[in-house]
Amino acid sequence: AQSVTQLDSQVPVFEEAPVELRCNYSSSVSVYLFWYVQYPNQGLQLLLKYLSGSTLVKGINGFEAEFNKSQTSFHLRKPSVHISDTAEYFCAVSRTGTASKLTFGTGTRLQVTL
Amino acid sequence: GAGVSQTPSNKVTEKGKYVELRCDPISGHTALYWYRQSLGQGPEFLIYFQGTGAADDSGLPNDRFFAVRPEGSVSTLKIQRTERGDSAVYLCASSPRGAAQRDTQYFGPGTRLTVL
Repeated sequence: AQSVTQLDSQVPVFEEAPVELRCNYSSSVSVYLFWYVQYPNQGLQLLLKYLSGSTLVKGINGFEAEFNKSQTSFHLRKPSVHISDTAEYFCAVSRTGTASKLTFGTGTRLQVTL
Repeated sequence: GAGVSQTPSNKVTEKGKYVELRCDPISGHTALYWYRQSLGQGPEFLIYFQGTGAADDSGLPNDRFFAVRPEGSVSTLKIQRTERGDSAVYLCASSPRGAAQRDTQYFGPGTRLTVL
């Protein structure tokens, strides 16, 4: 089975500051890794995903994440946040191969203020 | 094009009642997933359909929960004898092919179920 840990339930940050949202996973098999964002009253939207290849993955809205296999981490970063980035962010994993279900972390609330 | 839609957006029911939640996936998507998101938690997998058949129902919590997808498009999640602990947001997602997880899952806005 896989599990995902998002240690920070809330991250407050000022606009234009950099931010890192942490994600660690546990799995006995190879995994794919995902970050989803959930804006208020909207569905989950994929930010980026790591399937294979380069460990640095670039996504939408200026976000990027780096897969670190030795530390079993997949932290999300943005060099300069905007008010509109205020949302809930979820890290998720799925095992490679035929299984399709996503296992999510508990989420990190990013609160951007002026 | 149209995304995943779910109806109703909100459902309030009384303990012991039966409810049905509907999901309309993106047109042409063969894979459909149901997740449940309790307050303060991430979504938890319930069931996955490939076409009309349930390929993985390992996340259904008990036999009060059942889902169908008779024509391979619209799906209905059915909950019998609802309990207060069933209160959550029920999310539906679809993807083009499914079994190859390289496909992105596209989520609907969810149905908020409240059991009084």
